[in-house]
Amino acid sequence: NAGVTQTPKFRILKIGQSMTLQCTQDMNHNYMYWYRQDPGMGLKLIYYSVGAGITDKGEVPNGYNVSRSTTEDFPLRLELAAPSQTSVYFCASSYWTGATDTEAFFGQGTRLTVV
Amino acid sequence: AQSVTQLDSQVPVFEEAPVELRCNYSSSVSVYLFWYVQYPNQGLQLLLKYLSGSTLVESINGFEAEFNKSQTSFHLRKPSVHISDTAEYFCAVLGAGNMLTFGGGTRLMVKP
Repeated sequence: NAGVTQTPKFRILKIGQSMTLQCTQDMNHNYMYWYRQDPGMGLKLIYYSVGAGITDKGEVPNGYNVSRSTTEDFPLRLELAAPSQTSVYFCASSYWTGATDTEAFFGQGTRLTVV
Repeated sequence: AQSVTQLDSQVPVFEEAPVELRCNYSSSVSVYLFWYVQYPNQGLQLLLKYLSGSTLVESINGFEAEFNKSQTSFHLRKPSVHISDTAEYFCAVLGAGNMLTFGGGTRLMVKP
């Protein structure tokens, strides 16, 4: 299993440009998430999904959009890039077995710089 | 709503010394707690988790954490650290929608 795969690993965008961060998982997990990591701030949840066709906003959704057409894929879209979106982005997936076990698996991250 | 506070942003320690990374949480639902480790330029990896049962949980590389409900804490400890333990450590609590809420992270710096 490859686990959670994110592409690209690095990207530089100009202000106002758009891009899509790709995320795919091969563990058949229902739950998927996008987090951003800023120094000293931990990870903040941008969007999440509890299954194909279902998405919802997290703590910091402004400036982002997501879709979940399949169990495997959960792309994150930035429509009008702003310097405040300079960050490291992590995609994650998780399973839940009715309060007996759960674990989240993370991708390697995408380092995005907006200039 | 859930929240996590990691009381130390950086912890310097000499090799082979003991270390404690502190974590306090608040949660309005059942408490499920996690410690994740992030090595430089990598994603997060699960170190250990508390879901139920024994309040003392251990990892395969010598870390342990104790769930203390009365003090709402889940501190991470290791009796003797190694250079390879240098990393950033994140405490997290599980909430609705199977979502993790993370603390701000603690950077453990092990010096020779």
